[in-house]
Amino acid sequence: DSGVTQTPKHLITATGQRVTLRCSPRSGDLSVYWYQQSLDQGLQFLIQYYNGEERAKGNILERFSAQQFPDLHSELNLSSLELGDSALYFCASSSPRNPAEQFFGPGTRLTVL
Amino acid sequence: DAKTTQPTSMDCAEGRAANLPCNHSTISGNEYVYWYRQIHSQGPQYIIHGLKNNETNEMASLIITEDRKSSTLILPHATLRDTAVYYCIPLSRGSQGNLIFGKGTKLSVKP
Repeated sequence: DSGVTQTPKHLITATGQRVTLRCSPRSGDLSVYWYQQSLDQGLQFLIQYYNGEERAKGNILERFSAQQFPDLHSELNLSSLELGDSALYFCASSSPRNPAEQFFGPGTRLTVL
Repeated sequence: DAKTTQPTSMDCAEGRAANLPCNHSTISGNEYVYWYRQIHSQGPQYIIHGLKNNETNEMASLIITEDRKSSTLILPHATLRDTAVYYCIPLSRGSQGNLIFGKGTKLSVKP
């Protein structure tokens, strides 16, 4: 158990819809990262937040957005969903002492029909 | 960040040492080498990292060549639970920590 929680575990929705994925970091970690893992693209970094502020952006689509709240939990919002958005979405957290030593949650499996 | 080359797949007998190589010939002086693994569809798991000295922790050992162009992750006594995809990731000191995962090595530990 990494200490990072993600909800929901599974999500099935239709094209065009909007969903929100939630992540709670490990206690004391200020950074939250979101990654997407699809069959054809592998694991890809999407976005990072540090103590409520966006710190880095990767291959995140404009239809996707994220935020980190004062209690440090984070949400990833995916809108106008397409079939190709079906993937595993992982959240990770880390401490400022070693940002690259990340603790990953169990992931949310999104299926877009 | 430096590019990496890892074998697509490797097999290892249970109880034997698993040696997973990674070539990172373009690594720069301030880049660490991080190793992660992903057991089927679970979240990736941090294993170990190093800069130039060999490192060991409770999970594995990391051997980095003197020229730093390659490294080897060693699982001393592989178990079936070590079957996973292993990723070698160079990352510069001071980085925000955005991990760039390549294709990794699929390690299969066989009884």
